[in-house]
Amino acid sequence: GEDVEQSLFLSVREGDSSVINCTYTDSSSTYLYWYKQEPGAGLQLLTYIFSNMDMKQDQRLTVLLNKKDKHLSLRIADTQTGDSAIYFCAEEVDKIIFGKGTRLHILP
Amino acid sequence: KAGVTQTPRYLIKTRGQQVTLSCSPISGHRSVSWYQQTPGQGLQFLFEYFSETQRNKGNFPGRFSGRQFSNSRSEMNVSTLELGDSALYLCASSEVMRGATDTQYFGPGTRLTVL
Repeated sequence: GEDVEQSLFLSVREGDSSVINCTYTDSSSTYLYWYKQEPGAGLQLLTYIFSNMDMKQDQRLTVLLNKKDKHLSLRIADTQTGDSAIYFCAEEVDKIIFGKGTRLHILP
Repeated sequence: KAGVTQTPRYLIKTRGQQVTLSCSPISGHRSVSWYQQTPGQGLQFLFEYFSETQRNKGNFPGRFSGRQFSNSRSEMNVSTLELGDSALYLCASSEVMRGATDTQYFGPGTRLTVL
């Protein structure tokens, strides 16, 4: 069946890189997404990657897609306190399926 | 431009009642998607409307329905409410259908509590 898995928590020191990982099950995914939800704020679509791409970079964000292993990652370079949030990975087949979210905690 | 607005922001209903939630997209946006967020199930996709037509639908029972008007405003209706329908309902708008753009904007959500 369709499923998206991600670890629930990640702690990273300020200034280090954060890598949030996600695995999905449906190999016919067309798009894969990363969303960010900050405390008390709404959901924000951070970035997406088309399934025929391996990598997408946007400023401090790098998305890597390993289609063979059905593995998606989001790397945040130079992590700042403002990056503290829950990050949701999602895949799209005929509908969009979300992971449970990874809570990123920034250590001073 | 004004952002995505959702009304009402908070709602309390009892089991068996029905509810209608409204979403006004950003001006010029033609796609509206609805999502349900609960602590147990996380974020789940409900449906997407584009140009007044439902384009995609998630795995929700028929009690959940929606529609989109010619001005792109969308409504979501839940009939015969159950306790498990208590959730934050989010709507998002984009210029084109989801997946073809990374400029998707979310509203603040409607917090529905079913007693």
